[in-house]
Amino acid sequence: RKEVEQDPGPFNVPEGATVAFNCTYSNSASQSFFWYRQDCRKEPKLLMSVYSSGNEDGRFTAQLNRASQYISLLIRDSKLSDSATYLCVVNSAGAGSYQLTFGKGTKLSVIP
Amino acid sequence: SQTIHQWPATLVQPVGSPLSLECTVEGTSNPNLYWYRQAAGRGLQLLFYSVGIGQISSEVPQNLSASRPQDRQFILSSKKLLLSDSGFYLCAVGWGLSYNSPLHFGNGTRLTVT
Repeated sequence: RKEVEQDPGPFNVPEGATVAFNCTYSNSASQSFFWYRQDCRKEPKLLMSVYSSGNEDGRFTAQLNRASQYISLLIRDSKLSDSATYLCVVNSAGAGSYQLTFGKGTKLSVIP
Repeated sequence: SQTIHQWPATLVQPVGSPLSLECTVEGTSNPNLYWYRQAAGRGLQLLFYSVGIGQISSEVPQNLSASRPQDRQFILSSKKLLLSDSGFYLCAVGWGLSYNSPLHFGNGTRLTVT
């Protein structure tokens, strides 16, 4: 099983739609989780951290399910500017490790 | 706030030539520094990380090396490039000192080995 696995997509959704991405991770000792956004040919940028209780930032909601070892990102009221690749990131080696492992990303295209 | 300077933005090098990519960071002291590579159609791969001057941890042996001669300077090198070294090289700094901190990336260097 890959350390961090994401559906590569692409997800093609109309403006205003709600879209959800899931990500699974293999290391049950992982302690920190993030969603990054990467535009074409650009560096990844932190979108939001993911907390155990779930967290929301405007139109974006992140959830963590430790028992099932998956993370989700929900985007409501999609905008054209949301078109990008979304990367799931996990501290894969557990406590004391400096390694963040990135998923390959899920590509989102928001269509007018 | 942290600022990461990474150069050059793009680079075309022949097989067998040497490589030196430099990354400098402003706005923080004793940062955790990282080099990642993103090959075409693949995820980000951690190459090296450093928690202090002269301290380098390698995640991939291959033909790459890294050095940290100063607190806020991180250099990625190769003596002889391979075609498989082509990719998008990203320097990153931990937002905090905790290993749980997210990373902030520089603009990256797009390397093409011909």
